[in-house]
Amino acid sequence: GIQVEQSPPDLILQEGANSTLRCNFSDSVNNLQWFHQNPWGQLINLFYIPSGTKQNGRLSATTVATERYSLLYISSSQTTDSGVYFCAVGSGNTGKLIFGQGTTLQVKP
Amino acid sequence: NAGVTQTPKFQVLKTGQSMTLQCAQDMNHNSMYWYRQDPGMGLRLIYYSASEGTTDKGEVPNGYNVSRLNKREFSLRLESAAPSQTSVYFCASSRTDSYNEQFFGPGTRLTVL
Repeated sequence: GIQVEQSPPDLILQEGANSTLRCNFSDSVNNLQWFHQNPWGQLINLFYIPSGTKQNGRLSATTVATERYSLLYISSSQTTDSGVYFCAVGSGNTGKLIFGQGTTLQVKP
Repeated sequence: NAGVTQTPKFQVLKTGQSMTLQCAQDMNHNSMYWYRQDPGMGLRLIYYSASEGTTDKGEVPNGYNVSRLNKREFSLRLESAAPSQTSVYFCASSRTDSYNEQFFGPGTRLTVL
């Protein structure tokens, strides 16, 4: 099956700093999503981005499907950005997602 | 529009007890999924239902059964709970067509003693 690797596993930032999270996957996909799991455990949809580039406020994401990676950019980080960021990919027609292990982000005031 | 809802939010069971986790979505989605999340890990798929009337095993199906009751509802049953099933359980749904974004419920935190 598809393998998903996220890096870095942990990241500590000072408030206001920028960061880039990476997701590598081992095969062709027709679905790629980025999620933020907040400290209360809720999974929040950030981007549905099987290819191309999207932006939403301070967050943006780029997926280069031909090279099998995706990047999540967080600019001017805030303490509320803390939590775990997951990349998940899918292929075929069932909609199943394979999750990476996540990047744990801590933003310090 | 509540999205994906799950009940209960928390549950404590003793080894050998049974229970059913309930999930419902109001987005008219075709597909529904059950995942589990263990500490420090990403989510793993237990079972899924690509459309009403069908169910299939995911990555970790042992010890679980599912029922797609109708288009809205998808339940997960533990027949004889084991401590290894202590986890957080998430239900999700998606349209499963050319636009396949998946949306998640708030989760059920289950502890098996």
